[in-house]
Amino acid sequence: DAKTTQPNSMESNEEEPVHLPCNHSTISGTDYIHWYRQLPSQGPEYVIHGLTSNVNNRMASLAIAEDRKSSTLILHRATLRDAAVYYCILRDPYGGSQGNLIFGKGTKLSVKP
Amino acid sequence: EADIYQTPRYLVIGTGKKITLECSQTMGHDKMYWYQQDPGMELHLIHYSYGVNSTEKGDLSSESTVSRIRTEHFPLTLESARPSHTSQYLCASSELVTSGGDTQYFGPGTRLTVL
Repeated sequence: DAKTTQPNSMESNEEEPVHLPCNHSTISGTDYIHWYRQLPSQGPEYVIHGLTSNVNNRMASLAIAEDRKSSTLILHRATLRDAAVYYCILRDPYGGSQGNLIFGKGTKLSVKP
Repeated sequence: EADIYQTPRYLVIGTGKKITLECSQTMGHDKMYWYQQDPGMELHLIHYSYGVNSTEKGDLSSESTVSRIRTEHFPLTLESARPSHTSQYLCASSELVTSGGDTQYFGPGTRLTVL
């Protein structure tokens, strides 16, 4: 399964945009890019996913590089509630992992007031 | 809003006891999962199920067992709890689709401590 690389931690100021990077240089053509986040003492929650095109939803935007070897999760205005561990995950529905999500260490985002 | 529930939320138990962690979902999802997560560490998939009477082992070997007799219910059992089983156990569910876009919904987790 293709792996992702994320910074261990990032800091942001409240109400400023946050760009969380993810490298996935070995991504295959059928891999979807998923982002989940895990708030303290909670289970993970889905944020966004995409395949080739940039995606927007009410929580965030996902910018995918043209060669798909990297992507960026964008939180347009960080709030204190956005402090969490953010996971970038590649999901191949036809791959050896039966399409299951494989979580890495993620990026721990801290938001300062 | 995800409708997936786990009980108990916290459990402290002595070595050797048999325990069952409950997980149920009301979304009609076919696929369900159990993950294990130690504090500050990664989530590891330990079991999953495609539907009734289906159970599969995940990426991380676990001494726990699971069953899927009803679509909405996916309990996890430890026959004889040990201190090494101390961890957080997270249940999740998703639709059974072959595209890459299906979303997993997670429960709040059960924090297990074995003394």
